[in-house]
Amino acid sequence: KAGVTQTPRYLIKTRGQQVTLSCSPISGHRSVSWYQQTPGQGLQFLFEYFSETQRNKGNFPGRFSGRQFSNSRSEMNVSTLELGDSALYLCASSLVGTGPSLDGYTFGSGTRLTVV
Amino acid sequence: SQQGEEDPQALSIQEGENATMNCSYKTSINNLQWYRQNSGRGLVHLILIRSNEREKHSGRLRVTLDTSKKSSSLLITASRAADTASYFCATGIIQGAQKLVFGQGTRLTINP
Repeated sequence: KAGVTQTPRYLIKTRGQQVTLSCSPISGHRSVSWYQQTPGQGLQFLFEYFSETQRNKGNFPGRFSGRQFSNSRSEMNVSTLELGDSALYLCASSLVGTGPSLDGYTFGSGTRLTVV
Repeated sequence: SQQGEEDPQALSIQEGENATMNCSYKTSINNLQWYRQNSGRGLVHLILIRSNEREKHSGRLRVTLDTSKKSSSLLITASRAADTASYFCATGIIQGAQKLVFGQGTRLTINP
């Protein structure tokens, strides 16, 4: 059974550029969440998608956006990159993702983004 | 701001000893989960304890939850070198939809 796949693994971008990261969840999982991890801020919640709808959003500027496709694959986009966007971006999928029965998440290995 | 705060921030013990990490949180939760992360890679789910549970075991792991004190602890018994990693608690919050809020983590080092 394949795990959560994130591509690319590493990325170097210049300030002002935009970037798109991809996440393929475990087959059958319909909920996909995105997190940003930095040494200073730790793991910060970006957003969560379920059945192509964004259901929850963290406290990030509008430069951070995402979407989910009908096959549950998700992408996140960061426009007008800043140096502070350098981070490990983690995607996590879960089976149900609704109501009180919150399941454990399965994380991908992450995309390490460096903005120069 | 982070929901969970973990204590200690770093812990170094000898192989074979037990390791205990604590997590405190601020708001009401649906459940609390513990994850492990090796060297900046993805997180691995270890155990989930629901808000109406007080204790849960999984292999060498024991998790307790005290909702009155808004705190949880993770005990790893008979530690091994392979347990060296960062451990995070994450609180499951229902705000319309699910959301996991992570603590800053505890860096655990097991010395051979």
